Amino acid sequence: DVKVTQSSRYLVKRTGEKVFLECVQDMDHENMFWYRQDPGLGLRLIYFSYDVKMKEKGDIPEGYSVSREKKERFSLILESASTNQTSMYLCATRDGANYGYTFGSGTRLTVV
Amino acid sequence: GNSVTQMEGPVTLSEEAFLTINCTYTATGYPSLFWYVQYPGEGLQLLLKATKADDKGSNKGFEATYRKETTSFHLEKGSVQVSDSAVYFCALSDLIQGAQKLVFGQGTRLTINP
Repeated sequence: DVKVTQSSRYLVKRTGEKVFLECVQDMDHENMFWYRQDPGLGLRLIYFSYDVKMKEKGDIPEGYSVSREKKERFSLILESASTNQTSMYLCATRDGANYGYTFGSGTRLTVV
Repeated sequence: GNSVTQMEGPVTLSEEAFLTINCTYTATGYPSLFWYVQYPGEGLQLLLKATKADDKGSNKGFEATYRKETTSFHLEKGSVQVSDSAVYFCALSDLIQGAQKLVFGQGTRLTINP
């Protein structure tokens, strides 16, 4: 089974800090995604990547950037954290051969 | 654009009750449809899927049928258990900006009482 590992389950950061959320997969999936999950809003796509060094904006990219230097790792970066970025962040990968998406366990980020 | 609308929660049922969670979608292409489940403290897990019209996805006693004429993918289970308490997300996968992406509904929290 594909495993998607997010480096932290819980994070607390201060306003203005630069924050890195890491996601690592153990299969050779080309497609990787970052979502944020908020009550009543479901999951909203922040950024996605379909190959190394490739990235595309999702629906809510403002205030975020991403990095994909290696196929297995997809990092989400909050350049200057703000309180409205307090949320649950979920990483996912997709097998290009079928429609299978695999999600990590999530990182609950609190910005104070 | 593509979107998914789920019935609002929370939904509270007694054990062994019949469950329906409504889901409708709007899509420009021919999407695949999914139900994901999130148990407390965990990430999302695929519950079932359907890739074309009239397909029925099923898993763990849950079922959903892809209805193109009504653009719906309602989730049903005949007899729920306490262990089914979770948040359920309906989603579609479609080709957007040249890549396959998932678009989610807002989620429905389900609580089953013994």
